[in-house]
Amino acid sequence: KQEVTQIPAALSVPEGENLVLNCSFTDSAIYNLQWFRQDPGKGLTSLLLIQSSQREQTSGRLNASLDKSSGRSTLYIAASQPGDSATYLCAVTPGSARQLTFGSGTQLTVLP
Amino acid sequence: GAGVSQTPSNKVTEKGKYVELRCDPISGHTALYWYRQSLGQGPEFLIYFQGTGAADDSGLPNDRFFAVRPEGSVSTLKIQRTERGDSAVYLCASSFSGTQETQYFGPGTRLLVL
Repeated sequence: KQEVTQIPAALSVPEGENLVLNCSFTDSAIYNLQWFRQDPGKGLTSLLLIQSSQREQTSGRLNASLDKSSGRSTLYIAASQPGDSATYLCAVTPGSARQLTFGSGTQLTVLP
Repeated sequence: GAGVSQTPSNKVTEKGKYVELRCDPISGHTALYWYRQSLGQGPEFLIYFQGTGAADDSGLPNDRFFAVRPEGSVSTLKIQRTERGDSAVYLCASSFSGTQETQYFGPGTRLLVL
């Protein structure tokens, strides 16, 4: 059974810092990996999707990498802002399925 | 519509009651998913529809849970004889064709069973 782990569970940084969020998964037979953002009381917003054949994806200040063989992904946020404060969730799509398997998330607080 | 919508946004019910949660997917999306999210956890898969049929219901926790999508658009998640442990946020997502592309999530229904 696929398991997804996110470390750390919570992170607090001062504004302007670059930071890295980590995600690991136990079964490397994935179709893709996605990073989502969730604000309190809200649904999930997709940030980046990396296909299994890709190594990284970039969107603005966000860069996500994927190392499928080692079962790891990182989300890099450059020049963090207070508006980046949210919970960041990593999810994988198993190779044989359609549904997402999520980690528990990293709660990020960017202090002004 | 512009996005996935879910109603109600909040539902409070008593133990043993029946509840229905509704999801309106993005227009034209054939795939629809239900997830359940407990406090401090990531969402957990419940059921996936491709069109009108439930393609995968392996995540439904027991036979008190049931979902339908009769016309291939709106879906209803039905919970019978609710228990306090059913309290969670129920999220709905849709995607264009279900071929493992980006899923778009609704804001969720927060269910509280007293």
